[in-house]
Amino acid sequence: QSVLTQPPSVSGAPGQRVTISCTGSSSNIGAGYDVHWYQQFPGTAPKLLIYTNSNRPSGVPDRFSGSKSGTSASLAITGLQAEDEADYYCQSYDTSLNSPVFGGGTKLTVL
Amino acid sequence: QLQLQESGPGLVKPSETLSLTCTVSGGSISSNNYYWGWVRQPPGKGLEWIGRMFYSGATYYNPSLRGRVTMSVDTSKNQFSLKLSSVTAADTAVYYCARSHSSPYMDVWGKGTTVTVSS
Repeated sequence: QSVLTQPPSVSGAPGQRVTISCTGSSSNIGAGYDVHWYQQFPGTAPKLLIYTNSNRPSGVPDRFSGSKSGTSASLAITGLQAEDEADYYCQSYDTSLNSPVFGGGTKLTVL
Repeated sequence: QLQLQESGPGLVKPSETLSLTCTVSGGSISSNNYYWGWVRQPPGKGLEWIGRMFYSGATYYNPSLRGRVTMSVDTSKNQFSLKLSSVTAADTAVYYCARSHSSPYMDVWGKGTTVTVSS
């Protein structure tokens, strides 16, 4: 059971907008620690998608955006494409655990 | 272009020590800007942060694994290593090495190596 809670699954039709939430607490996101997001396709390594809450690495389409507020963060994907079907993980730091932590992951299905 | 490659035995017996090496190419491990870390993923499950280290030797481990984890660096070979002792079936996973920032997001990953703990 991760200290960062993500919905197990989300879905959307091509072209739609979907959001994936990452809910934490006062010992991680709420304490001001940054949130990062990764995309992972089956059988491959995770790929950094968003870093430091809302920054995109070079090469990541601007369809992907991140935000953070209070004890939660969100990843938004607009103009959903079939190639976006993957697992998505949030990451932050937890002061109670004294360790970086990942969310449990969310499987995105493109209908 | 920076690349990381994990190597090590794919099968480890229970109670023994898992040993993996990550070879860094296309850049120096001796950088003041980055850490070098490990993440694992059990079959069908999510990601778990194992630990990270600085090239100087400073190490930071997941408290849930503390006491079993040791990380080290060999700057002459541009490699860093992971040792996990007293393994059980619960340590069966894909192990990834990655470059880590202070924040501490990971922006360059190895392809991962599967380690199975079984007699």
